[in-house]
Amino acid sequence: QKEVEQNSGPLSVPEGAIASLNCTYSDRVSQSFFWYRQYSGKSPELIMSIYSNGDKEDGRFTAQLNKASQYVSLLIRDSQPSDSATYLCAVNMAGGYQKVTFGTGTKLQVIP
Amino acid sequence: NAGVTQTPKFQVLKTGQSMTLQCAQDMNHNSMYWYRQDPGMGLRLIYYSASEGTTDKGEVPNGYNVSRLNKREFSLRLESAAPSQTSVYFCATWTPPNYNEQFFGPGTRLTVL
Repeated sequence: QKEVEQNSGPLSVPEGAIASLNCTYSDRVSQSFFWYRQYSGKSPELIMSIYSNGDKEDGRFTAQLNKASQYVSLLIRDSQPSDSATYLCAVNMAGGYQKVTFGTGTKLQVIP
Repeated sequence: NAGVTQTPKFQVLKTGQSMTLQCAQDMNHNSMYWYRQDPGMGLRLIYYSASEGTTDKGEVPNGYNVSRLNKREFSLRLESAAPSQTSVYFCATWTPPNYNEQFFGPGTRLTVL
């Protein structure tokens, strides 16, 4: 079992719809959770971080964390073509100095 | 401020050649990291440096060496390149004091023939 799992996609949504991206992780004691966006040929950039159970909203983005189910998700409301990218889930696993483990990413395509 | 810079942007090597990837940051961060990114594998940590003068192995350190030259610079060396080291390499730092954001450099695309 991979430590951090994501569906590779592509996930296709029409412009204006809600995109839902999901991530599961294996280490129950993980503390920090991150969502990065990576455009093709570019480096990852942080869009959301979440540390406690529940929802965290930032503009059109909402991160949801459920530690009991070991599940973290990212919702993108009013999806735009510019949101088309690969979204990486990252989890700070226990036992390392800020050593995060990344999922393989979900490719999102927003169709105009 | 340039943030995190990497050189070169692209490199083609032949099997057995050596090279050093350079990374520099102007954010005065203590920690610096080297990742590689391969299709279907995600980002994997090669080495990291928690502070000037210290380095530690990550998930995939074999075939690589690192040097934390000073607080700003962290280099990654391939002594004898192999085709399996064809990848995109990213350098990154964490923001202190809460380490809640990681900044990545633009990456180096390396091909080993």
